Amino acid sequence: GNSVTQMEGPVTLSEEAFLTINCTYTATGYPSLFWYVQYPGEGLQLLLKATKADDKGSNKGFEATYRKETTSFHLEKGSVQVSDSAVYFCALLPGTDKLIFGTGTRLQVFP
Amino acid sequence: DAMVIQNPRYQVTQFGKPVTLSCSQTLNHNVMYWYQQKSSQAPKLLFHYYDKDFNNEADTPDNFQSRRPNTSFCFLDIRSPGLGDAAMYLCATHKGAALGDYGYTFGSGTRLTVV
Repeated sequence: GNSVTQMEGPVTLSEEAFLTINCTYTATGYPSLFWYVQYPGEGLQLLLKATKADDKGSNKGFEATYRKETTSFHLEKGSVQVSDSAVYFCALLPGTDKLIFGTGTRLQVFP
Repeated sequence: DAMVIQNPRYQVTQFGKPVTLSCSQTLNHNVMYWYQQKSSQAPKLLFHYYDKDFNNEADTPDNFQSRRPNTSFCFLDIRSPGLGDAAMYLCATHKGAALGDYGYTFGSGTRLTVV
């Protein structure tokens, strides 16, 4: 079946540190992949997406590359800020109309 | 700006008293979803509409109902809220065509408290 596995949090970093949040997936066919961010008390916002192998999604300094050979879509940012503190969800859309979420990873950035 | 709007942002209801949450969209998307999200968990899909076609998830309790009177609006009705129904409820839309090219667009959510 289709599934998404994310690294468990919380991830705790100092400001300006490098961020990686791992995400791997299992899917049939050629899914699209997404990262959503959820700030405290808010809904989910689309952070970035990639629709085919080797695509790189990027937004607000975050990047993720769709790696079909390793079935991964790891989220990275070179220098995190306190304002990046949030929960990050990796998700896949496997060609049906149901988005499948990972369990979410909480990021805490301290000054 | 085109968006998904949920009202109210915060809703307090009494145990067993019916409550309705609303969602509207200006995106003209075909598909609308309702998710339940409890603390520190991923959103859980309750049901969705593809146009007027209603699709219920197998494990969604009968206590939860939905209505979609037109393309723009979708409602979540909880007939007899229990303490376990306290959660954030998220509405989302999807274009429904060219699947995979578009993510879902989420509203800001309604946080439901049951007292």
